[in-house]
Amino acid sequence: GAGVSQTPSNKVTEKGKYVELRCDPISGHTALYWYRQSLGQGPEFLIYFQGTGAADDSGLPNDRFFAVRPEGSVSTLKIQRTERGDSAVYLCASSPGRGTYEQYFGPGTRLTVT
Amino acid sequence: DQQVKQNSPSLSVQEGRISILNCDYTNSMFDYFLWYKKYPAEGPTFLISISSIKDKNEDGRFTVFLNKSAKHLSLHIVPSQPGDSAVYFCAASNSGGSNYKLTFGKGTLLTVNP
Repeated sequence: GAGVSQTPSNKVTEKGKYVELRCDPISGHTALYWYRQSLGQGPEFLIYFQGTGAADDSGLPNDRFFAVRPEGSVSTLKIQRTERGDSAVYLCASSPGRGTYEQYFGPGTRLTVT
Repeated sequence: DQQVKQNSPSLSVQEGRISILNCDYTNSMFDYFLWYKKYPAEGPTFLISISSIKDKNEDGRFTVFLNKSAKHLSLHIVPSQPGDSAVYFCAASNSGGSNYKLTFGKGTLLTVNP
Protein backbone atom coordinates (compact mmCIF):
# COMPACT_ATOMS: atom_id res chain seq x y z
CA GLY A 1 0.00 0.00 0.00
CA ALA A 2 0.95 3.67 -0.25
CA GLY A 3 3.32 5.02 2.35
CA VAL A 4 3.54 8.49 3.82
CA SER A 5 3.95 11.13 1.16
CA GLN A 6 5.23 14.68 1.53
CA THR A 7 5.13 17.62 -0.83
CA PRO A 8 7.08 19.41 -2.04
CA SER A 9 10.25 17.32 -1.87
CA ASN A 10 12.32 20.48 -2.01
CA LYS A 11 11.45 24.07 -1.21
CA VAL A 12 13.71 27.09 -1.58
CA THR A 13 12.41 30.35 -0.16
CA GLU A 14 13.72 33.76 0.75
CA LYS A 15 14.14 34.90 4.32
CA GLY A 16 10.93 36.41 5.63
CA LYS A 17 8.59 34.45 3.35
CA TYR A 18 5.78 32.11 4.37
CA VAL A 19 5.89 28.38 3.51
CA GLU A 20 3.52 25.44 3.78
CA LEU A 21 4.66 21.82 3.85
CA ARG A 22 2.14 19.04 3.28
CA CYS A 23 1.96 15.49 4.63
CA ASP A 24 -0.32 12.66 3.50
CA PRO A 25 -0.22 9.88 6.10
CA ILE A 26 -0.88 6.20 5.57
CA SER A 27 -4.60 5.65 5.17
CA GLY A 28 -6.27 4.80 8.46
CA HIS A 29 -3.42 6.03 10.64
CA THR A 30 -4.82 8.28 13.34
CA ALA A 31 -1.52 9.49 14.79
CA LEU A 32 0.63 11.95 12.85
CA TYR A 33 3.97 13.48 13.82
CA TRP A 34 6.22 16.20 12.44
CA TYR A 35 9.96 16.12 13.04
CA ARG A 36 12.79 18.37 11.87
CA GLN A 37 16.23 17.06 10.97
CA SER A 38 19.14 19.46 10.76
CA LEU A 39 22.46 18.54 9.20
CA GLY A 40 24.37 16.00 11.27
CA GLN A 41 21.53 15.56 13.75
CA GLY A 42 18.79 13.04 14.32
CA PRO A 43 15.14 13.96 13.77
CA GLU A 44 13.73 16.25 16.48
CA PHE A 45 10.08 16.15 17.50
CA LEU A 46 7.93 19.13 16.63
CA ILE A 47 4.24 18.25 17.03
CA TYR A 48 1.89 15.28 17.43
CA PHE A 49 -1.71 14.93 16.24
CA GLN A 50 -4.16 12.29 17.40
CA GLY A 51 -7.03 12.67 14.98
CA THR A 52 -7.68 16.32 14.25
CA GLY A 53 -6.29 17.80 17.44
CA ALA A 54 -2.71 18.75 18.22
CA ALA A 55 -2.18 16.61 21.31
CA ASP A 56 1.39 17.80 21.89
CA ASP A 57 3.02 20.82 20.25
CA SER A 58 5.82 21.15 22.78
CA GLY A 59 8.51 20.72 20.11
CA LEU A 60 7.54 23.71 17.99
CA PRO A 61 10.49 26.12 18.33
CA ASN A 62 8.45 29.35 18.41
CA ASP A 63 5.15 30.91 17.37
CA ARG A 64 6.25 31.22 13.74
CA PHE A 65 5.54 27.51 13.41
CA PHE A 66 2.02 26.16 13.24
CA ALA A 67 0.46 22.91 12.02
CA VAL A 68 -3.07 21.79 11.24
CA ARG A 69 -4.87 18.55 10.46
CA PRO A 70 -8.46 19.67 9.90
CA GLU A 71 -10.00 16.37 8.78
CA GLY A 72 -7.79 13.96 10.66
CA SER A 73 -5.84 12.92 7.58
CA VAL A 74 -3.65 15.37 5.63
CA SER A 75 -1.54 17.75 7.71
CA THR A 76 0.10 21.04 6.82
CA LEU A 77 3.08 22.54 8.63
CA LYS A 78 3.15 26.31 8.25
CA ILE A 79 6.17 28.52 8.86
CA GLN A 80 5.81 32.30 8.91
CA ARG A 81 8.60 34.85 8.43
CA THR A 82 11.13 32.14 7.62
CA GLU A 83 14.68 32.48 8.90
CA ARG A 84 17.89 30.90 7.61
CA GLY A 85 18.00 28.76 10.76
CA ASP A 86 14.75 27.10 9.65
CA SER A 87 16.66 25.35 6.85
CA ALA A 88 16.37 21.62 7.48
CA VAL A 89 14.59 18.47 6.33
CA TYR A 90 11.05 18.34 7.68
CA LEU A 91 9.84 14.78 8.21
CA CYS A 92 6.31 13.58 8.70
CA ALA A 93 5.45 10.22 10.25
CA SER A 94 2.22 8.38 10.95
CA SER A 95 1.23 5.42 13.08
CA PRO A 96 -1.98 3.42 13.61
CA GLY A 97 -2.70 5.23 16.86
CA ARG A 98 -2.65 4.91 20.62
CA GLY A 99 -0.42 2.18 21.95
CA THR A 100 1.71 1.98 18.82
CA TYR A 101 5.32 3.01 19.06
CA GLU A 102 6.45 2.28 15.51
CA GLN A 103 6.16 5.30 13.24
CA TYR A 104 6.34 5.28 9.46
CA PHE A 105 8.15 8.18 7.89
CA GLY A 106 7.75 10.02 4.64
CA PRO A 107 10.73 11.04 2.49
CA GLY A 108 10.78 14.55 3.93
CA THR A 109 10.74 18.07 2.55
CA ARG A 110 14.11 19.78 2.29
CA LEU A 111 13.57 23.46 3.13
CA THR A 112 16.27 25.96 2.24
CA VAL A 113 15.89 29.56 3.36
CA THR A 114 18.19 31.95 1.50
CA ASP B 1 20.91 17.95 26.55
CA GLN B 2 21.24 14.84 24.39
CA GLN B 3 19.02 12.18 25.96
CA VAL B 4 19.90 9.54 23.34
CA LYS B 5 23.54 9.27 22.35
CA GLN B 6 25.22 7.44 19.52
CA ASN B 7 28.87 8.10 20.14
CA SER B 8 30.21 6.54 16.96
CA PRO B 9 29.49 8.75 13.94
CA SER B 10 30.64 6.00 11.58
CA LEU B 11 31.47 2.31 11.41
CA SER B 12 33.05 0.29 8.63
CA VAL B 13 32.84 -3.52 8.44
CA GLN B 14 33.58 -6.23 5.94
CA GLU B 15 30.76 -8.07 4.19
CA GLY B 16 29.81 -11.23 6.07
CA ARG B 17 31.12 -9.97 9.42
CA ILE B 18 29.12 -8.68 12.37
CA SER B 19 28.15 -5.01 12.67
CA ILE B 20 27.55 -3.70 16.19
CA LEU B 21 25.97 -0.29 16.62
CA ASN B 22 25.73 1.20 20.08
CA CYS B 23 23.35 3.61 21.77
CA ASP B 24 23.19 5.09 25.27
CA TYR B 25 20.36 6.97 26.92
CA THR B 26 20.08 9.15 30.00
CA ASN B 27 16.33 9.40 30.62
CA SER B 28 15.22 6.55 32.88
CA MET B 29 11.59 7.15 31.85
CA PHE B 30 12.25 5.72 28.38
CA ASP B 31 10.62 2.29 28.16
CA TYR B 32 10.63 1.47 24.46
CA PHE B 33 13.48 1.62 22.01
CA LEU B 34 13.62 1.48 18.23
CA TRP B 35 16.21 1.35 15.49
CA TYR B 36 15.66 3.08 12.19
CA LYS B 37 17.67 2.84 9.01
CA LYS B 38 18.00 5.76 6.61
CA TYR B 39 19.22 5.90 3.04
CA PRO B 40 20.10 9.27 1.46
CA ALA B 41 17.08 11.30 0.29
CA GLU B 42 14.66 8.88 1.96
CA GLY B 43 12.85 8.96 5.27
CA PRO B 44 13.90 6.72 8.15
CA THR B 45 12.62 3.14 7.89
CA PHE B 46 11.66 1.16 10.99
CA LEU B 47 13.97 -1.80 11.56
CA ILE B 48 13.48 -3.40 14.95
CA SER B 49 12.35 -2.47 18.44
CA ILE B 50 12.51 -3.64 22.04
CA SER B 51 10.44 -3.04 25.12
CA SER B 52 12.14 -2.33 28.44
CA ILE B 53 10.67 -5.54 29.86
CA LYS B 54 12.90 -7.54 27.52
CA ASP B 55 16.65 -7.71 27.13
CA LYS B 56 16.79 -9.12 23.60
CA ASN B 57 14.74 -9.08 20.44
CA GLU B 58 15.69 -10.86 17.24
CA ASP B 59 14.41 -10.50 13.68
CA GLY B 60 16.34 -12.37 11.03
CA ARG B 61 19.83 -10.92 10.75
CA PHE B 62 19.03 -8.14 13.23
CA THR B 63 19.18 -8.45 17.02
CA VAL B 64 18.76 -5.68 19.55
CA PHE B 65 20.10 -6.03 23.09
CA LEU B 66 19.01 -3.85 26.00
CA ASN B 67 20.93 -3.37 29.25
CA LYS B 68 18.62 -1.27 31.42
CA SER B 69 21.01 -0.94 34.34
CA ALA B 70 23.65 0.53 32.04
CA LYS B 71 21.08 2.47 29.99
CA HIS B 72 22.66 0.97 26.90
CA LEU B 73 21.38 -0.81 23.82
CA SER B 74 23.04 -2.25 20.79
CA LEU B 75 22.04 -3.45 17.34
CA HIS B 76 23.81 -6.48 15.92
CA ILE B 77 23.67 -7.26 12.20
CA VAL B 78 24.89 -10.73 11.23
CA PRO B 79 26.01 -11.31 8.54
CA SER B 80 26.47 -7.77 7.28
CA GLN B 81 25.66 -7.12 3.63
CA PRO B 82 26.58 -4.20 1.35
CA GLY B 83 22.89 -3.23 1.17
CA ASP B 84 22.99 -2.59 4.92
CA SER B 85 25.13 0.48 4.28
CA ALA B 86 23.06 3.38 5.61
CA VAL B 87 22.70 5.71 8.59
CA TYR B 88 21.24 3.95 11.63
CA PHE B 89 19.30 5.93 14.22
CA CYS B 90 18.54 4.79 17.73
CA ALA B 91 15.27 6.20 19.11
CA ALA B 92 13.52 6.03 22.47
CA SER B 93 10.00 6.62 23.70
CA ASN B 94 8.15 6.98 27.00
CA SER B 95 4.72 5.39 27.12
CA GLY B 96 3.86 7.47 30.16
CA GLY B 97 3.87 10.55 27.97
CA SER B 98 0.87 9.20 26.03
CA ASN B 99 2.09 10.63 22.76
CA TYR B 100 4.73 8.05 21.82
CA LYS B 101 6.98 10.75 20.39
CA LEU B 102 10.44 9.54 19.55
CA THR B 103 13.73 10.98 20.78
CA PHE B 104 16.54 10.19 18.35
CA GLY B 105 20.29 9.93 18.54
CA LYS B 106 22.49 11.61 15.94
CA GLY B 107 22.95 8.42 13.96
CA THR B 108 25.80 6.14 12.95
CA LEU B 109 26.84 5.77 9.31
CA LEU B 110 27.45 2.08 8.61
CA THR B 111 29.52 1.14 5.58
CA VAL B 112 29.69 -2.54 4.62
CA ASN B 113 32.54 -3.21 2.23
CA PRO B 114 32.25 -6.03 -0.33
